[in-house]
Amino acid sequence: EAQVTQNPRYLITVTGKKLTVTCSQNMNHEYMSWYRQDPGLGLRQIYYSMNVEVTDKGDVPEGYKVSRKEKRNFPLILESPSPNQTSLYFCASSAQGGVAEAFFGQGTRLTVV
Amino acid sequence: GDSVTQMEGPVTLSEEAFLTINCTYTATGYPSLFWYVQYPGEGLQLLLKATKADDKGSNKGFEATYRKETTSFHLEKGSVQVSDSAVYFCALHSNFGNEKLTFGTGTRLTIIP
Repeated sequence: EAQVTQNPRYLITVTGKKLTVTCSQNMNHEYMSWYRQDPGLGLRQIYYSMNVEVTDKGDVPEGYKVSRKEKRNFPLILESPSPNQTSLYFCASSAQGGVAEAFFGQGTRLTVV
Repeated sequence: GDSVTQMEGPVTLSEEAFLTINCTYTATGYPSLFWYVQYPGEGLQLLLKATKADDKGSNKGFEATYRKETTSFHLEKGSVQVSDSAVYFCALHSNFGNEKLTFGTGTRLTIIP
C-alpha cells in the first residue's frame, strides 16, 4: 500500500528539548515536504526536498532543520523547540512536485510547553 | 506572492443539499489548482485537480472548474452525504518559485442527516 508514515502521531515536550519527527514514504517519490497546519492559517510549507541531499526552505523554516540522506526518509528536526512551534505537522511526498498528487502522512500533533 | 482565499466556515448543510465552497486565487503565470480533503484524524487527500484554464476536475460527485477570467476554482456537489463531512482545502501550485502547494485556510463542512 502506498503511504507516507510519520512518527510519532502525538508528542508533548518541553521548551528546548531537541526532537525529531520522522517521515518515510514507500512510493519512490523524489519530492518531499513538511507543512505545519495552524487554525486560520491553513497549511504552510516549512522545508522541501527535490531529491537526496537537495533541500530548501519553504515559507516558515525558522527553528526547523531537515535532512534527506535517503530517498524514502525526510526527518524534521527541532533543535530547541519553543511554544510557538506547537502545531499539527504533515509530511508529504509526490512524484513530480506540485503538479502531481501529493500524498500526506497522518500528521504529528506537537505540543511544546 | 501566491495566495488562496476560501470562503469562511464552518458550513453546515442537510443531507442531499447542494454544496458550493468558493475559492479564488492570486498567482503568477498559470498555476495548477487542487482541492484536498481532510477527514477527521487523517492527513490530506487529493480530491480533484485542474492544470489549465477551463479544465474541470471531478471525483466522487465533486466538481470544480478552473476559471482564469475570475481566478476561481469553486468546489460543487449536487447532493451531499453525511460521509462528506470533512475539512476542504483549496490549493495551487505555481510554475514559478519553489516546489510547494499554497493552501487556503480550509473550510469545515458538516452534513447533518
